[in-house]
Amino acid sequence: GENVEQHPSTLSVQEGDSAVIKCTYSDSASNYFPWYKQELGKGPQLIIDIRSNVGEKKDQRIAVTLNKTAKHFSLHITETQPEDSAVYFCAASRRGSTLGRLYFGRGTQLTVWP
Amino acid sequence: NAGVTQTPKFQVLKTGQSMTLQCAQDMNHNSMYWYRQDPGMGLRLIYYSASEGTTDKGEVPNGYNVSRLNKREFSLRLESAAPSQTSVYFCASAWDRTGNTIYFGEGSWLTVV
Repeated sequence: GENVEQHPSTLSVQEGDSAVIKCTYSDSASNYFPWYKQELGKGPQLIIDIRSNVGEKKDQRIAVTLNKTAKHFSLHITETQPEDSAVYFCAASRRGSTLGRLYFGRGTQLTVWP
Repeated sequence: NAGVTQTPKFQVLKTGQSMTLQCAQDMNHNSMYWYRQDPGMGLRLIYYSASEGTTDKGEVPNGYNVSRLNKREFSLRLESAAPSQTSVYFCASAWDRTGNTIYFGEGSWLTVV
């Protein structure tokens, strides 16, 4: 099956700085890469996703990049705010395939200091 | 806008006791999942149900059983709880099993003493 590695496991940044979280995957057939944000005491929620036919996607302060050749994808958060503090999970799957269940990374605890 | 609802939110069990975690979704999703979350381990899939009437093992199924009662409901049962099953459990659902967006419940905190 797929193996998703996520780094770093913890990340601390000053408010206003950028944060970058990186993930690698092993299955070259994976074609769907979502990112989830989990706030304290809550379930993970999808914040952005990218399909393998594009290299970058942006949504306000959040962007995701994908390098299919190197099999890695990254989450970029600009102008960080204290409310961005949470655990972030990356995931990968073969969307559209009956083998398409999501495989998650181990998570990154992001802390944004005011 | 209930989404995925799971109960109970918190539970303390003694070793050897049994209990069932309940989950229901109101999004007409076909696929449902049970994950456990432990510090440093991320989200690990226990069981999933691709559609009503089917269930399959995930990465860590030992010690658990599931029932897909109908399209809306998917329960997780611990027959004889062990301290190693102390964890946060998340139910989730998706339109289908082919890797579409998964929607999670709020979690159930289970402690086995």
